[in-house]
Amino acid sequence: KNEVEQSPQNLTAQEGEFITINCSYSVGISALHWLQQHPGGGIVSLFMLSSGKKKHGRLIATINIQEKHSSLHITASHPRDSAVYICAVRVNNDMRFGAGTRLTVKP
Amino acid sequence: EAQVTQNPRYLITVTGKKLTVTCSQNMNHEYMSWYRQDPGLGLRQIYYSMNVEVTDKGDVPEGYKVSRKEKRNFPLILESPSPNQTSLYFCASSFPSGGFIQPQHFGDGTRLSIL
Repeated sequence: KNEVEQSPQNLTAQEGEFITINCSYSVGISALHWLQQHPGGGIVSLFMLSSGKKKHGRLIATINIQEKHSSLHITASHPRDSAVYICAVRVNNDMRFGAGTRLTVKP
Repeated sequence: EAQVTQNPRYLITVTGKKLTVTCSQNMNHEYMSWYRQDPGLGLRQIYYSMNVEVTDKGDVPEGYKVSRKEKRNFPLILESPSPNQTSLYFCASSFPSGGFIQPQHFGDGTRLSIL
């Protein structure tokens, strides 16, 4: 079983919809990261969380350490949000990654 | 401009021919790391470095070497490449701060094909 599980694997939405991507992990972590990988392959770090909630523009990330669960929300989704979203956790100094969620936002 | 630069971006080579993928960052980051990305397997960590002369194995270090002689550079060395090392490789860097690895800056990726 993968230490980091993401759901859903694929997600298609209409422009303007509220999006939620989930990440569950089974190991003790010191931090959780959300990454965005564009169709061209480039990876951008969106958030690093150790507790609570962070917001950046239309993106919101939350983490519940007790439940070992994090969510990434996108409000008012737009076609340019189409990408693969990857959850990653830090276990000691190692990074472990979820398989990613492929999001497609249709106009 | 803050960036992580990987070279080459693309390489096709043959089994057994030693190769080096370079990674350089201009942000004075202590932490640097190499990852490979494969379809169905996602990203996996190969090696990382917490600072100069400090390197450690990640999840999939077999067949790879790294060195960290200076803070800005973290080359990935494949001494005897094999076809199962065909993959997309990413280098990343960040500050470790307060015990956490801060959000990482990623290079653009190196697509390696080993025939």
